[in-house]
Amino acid sequence: DIQMTQSPSSLSASVGDRVTITCQASQDISNYLNWYQQKPGKAPKLLIYDASNLETGVPSRFSGSGSGTDFTFTISSLQPEDIATYYCQQYDNPFTFGGGTKVEIK
Amino acid sequence: QVQLVQSGAEVKKPGASVKVSCKASGYTFTSYDINWVRQATGQGLEWMGWMNPNSGNTGYAQKFQGRVTMTRNTSISTAYMELSSLRSEDTAVYYCARGRVLATFRYNFDYWGQGTLVTVSS
Repeated sequence: DIQMTQSPSSLSASVGDRVTITCQASQDISNYLNWYQQKPGKAPKLLIYDASNLETGVPSRFSGSGSGTDFTFTISSLQPEDIATYYCQQYDNPFTFGGGTKVEIK
Repeated sequence: QVQLVQSGAEVKKPGASVKVSCKASGYTFTSYDINWVRQATGQGLEWMGWMNPNSGNTGYAQKFQGRVTMTRNTSISTAYMELSSLRSEDTAVYYCARGRVLATFRYNFDYWGQGTLVTVSS
């Protein structure tokens, strides 16, 4: 199975900060990568699909980039409502998730 | 609006089986896959398998092969996930998620159920 290594596992940032999360695949997955947000006690929510496409209705401060094995997820200006755990997911073969990044407000 | 509504929490003894349901509404049930993902308390997301509600075809993660069965009842737009030979490590929240195909080989989970807590304890 393809392994997804996500880092950092947690971070603390101030409101308005730029936040970056990385996800590395154990082999080339092209851009078969999605990003999800999960708030405490809730189901995950799709934010970014195919590495860089913003899901309808998702604020434009969220973005994604990358291809091959290295991917980046960015929140351009952290808001209080962005407190959550973020997961990358590869869907090349078959589906695996990264370990998650918990984002907190400093 | 699209909704996936799951059955309620379950408590099971080790060795037993559990069957979780996922009722879909707001879209044509047979037009989208249903995936199952679980999450142990404080842990990450783990994909278990998928089912095509139109054909009934399934694909399971190797870890769960032989222990998981995914089925559906199209007349009531409901998918089911049954996990057998339960052990304490299976204690988790189980989610169903709709699989959306945007183009050939382009896939994501666009709607999720609310989750079902399954507790395995003697």
